[in-house]
Amino acid sequence: DTGVSQNPRHKITKRGQNVTFRCDPISEHNRLYWYRQTLGQGPEFLTYFQNEAQLEKSRLLSDRFSAERPKGSFSTLEIQRTEQGDSAMYLCASSLGRLGNTEAFFGQGTRLTVV
Amino acid sequence: DQQVKQNSPSLSVQEGRISILNCDYTNSMFDYFLWYKKYPAEGPTFLISISSIKDKNEDGRFTVFLNKSAKHLSLHIVPSQPGDSAVYFCAASAKEYGNKLVFGAGTILRVKS
Repeated sequence: DTGVSQNPRHKITKRGQNVTFRCDPISEHNRLYWYRQTLGQGPEFLTYFQNEAQLEKSRLLSDRFSAERPKGSFSTLEIQRTEQGDSAMYLCASSLGRLGNTEAFFGQGTRLTVV
Repeated sequence: DQQVKQNSPSLSVQEGRISILNCDYTNSMFDYFLWYKKYPAEGPTFLISISSIKDKNEDGRFTVFLNKSAKHLSLHIVPSQPGDSAVYFCAASAKEYGNKLVFGAGTILRVKS
């Protein structure tokens, strides 16, 4: 296991189409986070899971966005009816989630371009 | 409401000299602070972290200093190397918030050889 893996690396889609991204976390990590980053900004929190339970969703996450983590392993982030404003880098991170803070490790990201 | 701020968009340093990157935060609930390095088209890479109960943490060429009273932290890189050229993000988290990270906007570091 070499780290957090995200697929695809790049996605170009037409406005109005649905897209789905996948994240495979580090295997022993029980926390999984999704972030979004746009040019010139730091990553912004979208949602996170403790095992299979989705514990928090940012108000940035509109109803067109849904995330799942079945069986507490990989996670998917789906965007329905994509808009040009959805164009961004989507980052997944995982951490041990023990009591006390632990570092989050990021994947390479999925670059979404909506045309 | 920007809870984590990196006020310097960019920094240029000569190879071999010290690089100092600064970060300020406003939320006193934050209890853990991290620095990430990011190259274009890649995800952030964890560099170093510090708990709020400490004021310094060192790892090789990288040292992070935390001043809780001033709500300020800094990352020192010494000596700086051309391979350190990247965007550096400061991030903060709190157990009460599920350890989700709140990031600053980043500082572009250029190390000139």
